[in-house]
Amino acid sequence: ETGVTQSPTHLIKTRGQQVTLRCSSQSGHNTVSWYQQALGQGPQFIFQYYREEENGRGNFPPRFSGLQFPNYSSELNVNALELDDSALYLCASSFLGSGELFFGEGSRLTVL
Amino acid sequence: QKEVEQNSGPLSVPEGAIASLNCTYSDRGSQSFFWYRQYSGKSPELIMFIYSNGDKEDGRFTAQLNKASQYVSLLIRDSQPSDSATYLCAVRGTGNQFYFGTGTSLTVIP
Repeated sequence: ETGVTQSPTHLIKTRGQQVTLRCSSQSGHNTVSWYQQALGQGPQFIFQYYREEENGRGNFPPRFSGLQFPNYSSELNVNALELDDSALYLCASSFLGSGELFFGEGSRLTVL
Repeated sequence: QKEVEQNSGPLSVPEGAIASLNCTYSDRGSQSFFWYRQYSGKSPELIMFIYSNGDKEDGRFTAQLNKASQYVSLLIRDSQPSDSATYLCAVRGTGNQFYFGTGTSLTVIP
């Protein structure tokens, strides 16, 4: 148990819809990052938030956006869903600068 | 070219043997290297990190780093069936992001 919780665990959407995924960080951690893991692939960095500001972003289009709240919980929003967005979305909390990421169990998104 | 490359396997070893997992990375300026373990249907968990050239040992696990060759490896001694999982190599890049390889699937045969 990492203390990082994500919701929902599974969801099914149709192409063009929007989705919001939520993450509650481990107590004391000030940084949250989001990763997309397609089947058979390693996690791909989407972005990272520190003190409610985005402070790093991977190669994902603007329709992927996020928020971090004062209690360090976070949301990942994806607009205009595409079939290729089907994946496991992982939230990881950490201390800024730390190499240890504590992952939640993920939200598995299926886009039909 | 991918930032981090791993042999996807699958790798099978008998119980008690040494499992050797390898990883190469493209950014010569990388300074921090990590091995994560991911059981099927679960999220990744950190096993080892290494920052300096050479070996770092933690129990049955040894991480090896050679920055000149841009090569990182993980050795698992006395492999156990519970070690059966996918092992992800990760390299910390600029912009606070981690680059993960595709993972190597390891099966330890009792």
